[in-house]
Amino acid sequence: DAGVIQSPRHEVTEMGQEVTLRCKPISGHNSLFWYRQTMMRGLELLIYFNNNVPIDDSGMPEDRFSAKMPNASFSTLKIQPSEPRDSAVYFCASSLTWGVHEQYFGPGTRLTVT
Amino acid sequence: GESVGLHLPTLSVQEGDNSIINCAYSNSASDYFIWYKQESGKGPQFIIDIRSNMDKRQGQRVTVLLNKTVKHLSLQIAATQPGDSAVYFCAENVPGTYKYIFGTGTRLKVLA
Repeated sequence: DAGVIQSPRHEVTEMGQEVTLRCKPISGHNSLFWYRQTMMRGLELLIYFNNNVPIDDSGMPEDRFSAKMPNASFSTLKIQPSEPRDSAVYFCASSLTWGVHEQYFGPGTRLTVT
Repeated sequence: GESVGLHLPTLSVQEGDNSIINCAYSNSASDYFIWYKQESGKGPQFIIDIRSNMDKRQGQRVTVLLNKTVKHLSLQIAATQPGDSAVYFCAENVPGTYKYIFGTGTRLKVLA
């Protein structure tokens, strides 16, 4: 299995632009998580889905952030408009099913907003 | 959750020695804990987990100890190897959910 796949691996954009991060979870995994990692705040959970349905988005910083999971094999995290303070590494993780705690993380997308 | 400073605590260990990485968690009701390893440029990788009804759990070269009285977790790595160099995070479960709060992390440096 290829593991969790994220794209792009690096994204540099200007303030005000729209950014879309993509994630393909491990095949057969039913739960998907989006995290943000910064030196100041560490690893923070933004949102998680179970069976493509958002369960908890309380970690989403503000309305500029949105996430979708149109099917079991694809999810997006969108920031519109982006701001310099959004610069971080964004991770996607998946887990087998609702009752399984172990999460498998992707390699992350390093976002830089100038 | 925990706030994170600019600098990670660092543990330097001689190759072949045992390492002990500590973590304090915040919620006495947390019922599940996980240790993750994060190498540079990669996502966190699951190492070992423990439920709150256990005090100790052993894996291959790793042991996790849980002290609920003082809300403390530790990860012990036996015979530390250069490949163990990474940042280690503990994560505590938010009771009743599948959400986790991650600790600040500890950088482990293995000296040859």
